[in-house]
Amino acid sequence: GAGVSQSPSNKVTEKGKDVELRCDPISGHTALYWYRQSLGQGLEFLIYFQGNSAPDKSGLPSDRFSAERTGGSVSTLTIQRTQQEDSAVYLCASSLFTITDTQYFGPGTRLTVL
Amino acid sequence: EDQVTQSPEALRLQEGESSSLNCSYTVSGLRGLFWYRQDPGKGPEFLFTLYSAGEEKEKERLKATLTKKESFLHITAPKPEDSATYLCAVYMIKAAGNKLTFGGGTRVLVKP
Repeated sequence: GAGVSQSPSNKVTEKGKDVELRCDPISGHTALYWYRQSLGQGLEFLIYFQGNSAPDKSGLPSDRFSAERTGGSVSTLTIQRTQQEDSAVYLCASSLFTITDTQYFGPGTRLTVL
Repeated sequence: EDQVTQSPEALRLQEGESSSLNCSYTVSGLRGLFWYRQDPGKGPEFLFTLYSAGEEKEKERLKATLTKKESFLHITAPKPEDSATYLCAVYMIKAAGNKLTFGGGTRVLVKP
């Protein structure tokens, strides 16, 4: 079956512009996660959606970052007024129910802020 | 401060040379520890979840163990296809919000 998909695969933007990154989770998965991975670094947890509960936003680095999940499926991560330090690979994952279930990752979106 | 530290940062092995990777943590409210494998240019691939000290899980040449302060990922008789970066992550329940913290990873290279 289809895995987690993300789009675009690469995004180059100018400092100060807004960007939207999209994630399509595996069908039927109720939990969805966003992570950030900077060059040579480990994964940084950003946000976690579980079913219809309020999302866990504890990992978002600033108020320029926001995410939504419409209809319990597709999610969009929005970065406003991008900065060069936002350059990273943004990874999305989904799991069946909760954070302790197996997480399946998408291929990521590589964001470059010039 | 909650911390997750992986060692070594990099590991070069000959094919068949068994070794162990370490993930140590100083956290409170631990609810689970995860191991992932990540190949270059790809998203991480889930390997194991461990929930309590003394727990062990195995998959092919990999075995993960957990104590109260650290976890080990043992690679037995590795093959070149085991070359990857191995990541551990700790999930904690916090009053300010649940938290998932990753270590920096161990890059493993297995030479034939």
